Amino acid sequence: GAVVSQHPSRVICKSGTSVKIECRSLDFQATTMFWYRQFPKQSLMLMATSNEGSKATYEQGVEKDKFLINHASLTLSTLTVTSAHPEDSSFYICSAFPQTEAFFGQGTRLTVV
Amino acid sequence: AQSVTQLDSQVPVFEEAPVELRCNYSSSVSVYLFWYVQYPNQGLQLLLKYLSGSTLVKGINGFEAEFNKSQTSFHLRKPSVHISDTAEYFCAVSDRGTGFQKLVFGTGTRLLVSP
Repeated sequence: GAVVSQHPSRVICKSGTSVKIECRSLDFQATTMFWYRQFPKQSLMLMATSNEGSKATYEQGVEKDKFLINHASLTLSTLTVTSAHPEDSSFYICSAFPQTEAFFGQGTRLTVV
Repeated sequence: AQSVTQLDSQVPVFEEAPVELRCNYSSSVSVYLFWYVQYPNQGLQLLLKYLSGSTLVKGINGFEAEFNKSQTSFHLRKPSVHISDTAEYFCAVSDRGTGFQKLVFGTGTRLLVSP
């Protein structure tokens, strides 16, 4: 199957700093990628849709200035958590659809201390 | 708006016993349905999907699910579970009108298989 690679898998950062998470489609081109957030023992909540060459579409309640999304190429989308705070600690997962099936990255565990 | 309900947050079962994980969705419009499995600190892996056709869908690792339109359900079943099936299982749905890409997930069911 298709491969979506997410990096880093785990990151710890200090409060107030920014963290960038990368999501790559390794064997297909993805004009659209999706970013999810998962709180402990909860479901995945869609944060935003990343569109290659244009602005991301954010879900209601998601701060676009805090969660910056860039989709500069057909194989790479990045999520930058700006001025991170402990409440931003979570598991972030990206996905992409080569055809009719979503493939997910392995996720990034962000811990803000 | 579409919603997905997984009534069981946790399902304990003994190895080699059958299991059913329940999933109900809200919308009456045509939908695509999915089951995903998540192992600790990992992304999601597709178990199976229903797009159209036969309402009984077979997936990987011996799992199957049946789409029931009248009951708006898509329950996941396995006749004999293994210890390695211990994981979190998510049911997801997308509206055909908006395409299969925008998934709405249920809250997940933790399957605990013990010897």
